[in-house]
Amino acid sequence: EPEVTQTPSHQVTQMGQEVILRCVPISNHLYFYWYRQILGQKVEFLVSFYNNEISEKSEIFDDQFSVERPDGSNFTLKIRSTKLEDSAMYFCASSLTNEQFFGPGTRLTVL
Amino acid sequence: KNEVEQSPQNLTAQEGEFITINCSYSVGISALHWLQQHPGGGIVSLFMLSSGKKKHGRLIATINIQEKHSSLHITASHPRDSAVYICAVYNTDKLIFGTGTRLQVFP
Repeated sequence: EPEVTQTPSHQVTQMGQEVILRCVPISNHLYFYWYRQILGQKVEFLVSFYNNEISEKSEIFDDQFSVERPDGSNFTLKIRSTKLEDSAMYFCASSLTNEQFFGPGTRLTVL
Repeated sequence: KNEVEQSPQNLTAQEGEFITINCSYSVGISALHWLQQHPGGGIVSLFMLSSGKKKHGRLIATINIQEKHSSLHITASHPRDSAVYICAVYNTDKLIFGTGTRLQVFP
């Protein structure tokens, strides 16, 4: 069964460094999403992406964040200059119609 | 106030008990998703529904669009059902998540 994959599973970085989180959505899906979950809190929407552009973004998704679909298979989330409060689990999801399918997540730890 | 509220926040049960988790929402939705999250963190889809009722094995989900309410039922609960159960609603182009219900089922 096709699935969403994410790499790395765990990323540790120093405050101020740039990180890129990678996702490979299900191959025929058209809509792509990033969500994050700070430890002990609920999952929050970051951004949705369709037809090579952002279709919706939350207040969390400020200028430090960017997304890209560089090669037709990968979907990346870049954080330009990480802060301590960016430490969280980041989930990628993809969908063809309404139902979203989630990747296993990347745990980002900012020191 | 959260747009998606779940109750209870925590739930313990003995193996074999019937379990109900409730979800209420205050926004317009196109569908509602019940998800399961295990301690490792991964999120697994259980159901997506926009009306009526769905059943999968021992799990049953219902939704009442007029009352903006959904329930997830687990029949004959088992320790392997222990997880966090999350209600999330489709609003425009995104999912809005509830805070989750932590279920522990003891043998």
